[in-house]
Amino acid sequence: QSVLTQAPSPSGTPGQRVTISCSGSSSNIGTNYVYWYQQLPGTAPKLLIYRNNQRPSGVPDRFSGSKSGTSASLAISGLRSEDEADYYCAAWDDSLSGWVFGGGTKLTVL
Amino acid sequence: QVQLVESGGGVVQPGRSLRLSCAASGFTFSGYAMHWVRQAPGKGLEWVAVISYDGINKYYADSVKGRFTISRDNSKNTVNLQMNSLRAEDTAVYYCAKDQGTTISGMDVWGQGTAVTVSS
Repeated sequence: QSVLTQAPSPSGTPGQRVTISCSGSSSNIGTNYVYWYQQLPGTAPKLLIYRNNQRPSGVPDRFSGSKSGTSASLAISGLRSEDEADYYCAAWDDSLSGWVFGGGTKLTVL
Repeated sequence: QVQLVESGGGVVQPGRSLRLSCAASGFTFSGYAMHWVRQAPGKGLEWVAVISYDGINKYYADSVKGRFTISRDNSKNTVNLQMNSLRAEDTAVYYCAKDQGTTISGMDVWGQGTAVTVSS
């Protein structure tokens, strides 16, 4: 059971907009930054969003992050087949004194 | 460019030890905290440990506390994970990851991982 809860796997067709949610608590998302990672099949994770809503250079602006209270969301617009991957949220947890990840969300592009 | 290369993985019997290493290049290693994160077969990511840029502060996941030790050598640009009393549930791909900052800010660059299998 992950400390951060990610919703069941969404799916979408090319061009659509999908949202992936991540729910936590006051000790993690509620007080600390949220990070999002993309893991393509058979590869290492890649940073997608940092500090709730910041994109590293090279990440398309189709990807956006937001946070409200103890929940966070990753939105992907203009869905492409290459977006089919596992997505993970993460945050520092003050109570655990450690990083916690969501269980992951597998995005399927139909 | 930033590069992280893990090594030291393999097959080990339960109760034995293994030491993982991560060689870093392409950035000022001594200026950043470093993490280990693992992924069991078919499962999600699990954070394991982090060490501050100067090696003073270390934090561990409860699942490995007391068994694993993270360390770093800033003169050699390496971060290590000493894993003792290994269990079957420690079987995973272990990733080394660079932190964004000097304290503990979040992982930004990841290595390709090294596989550890704990089995008799």
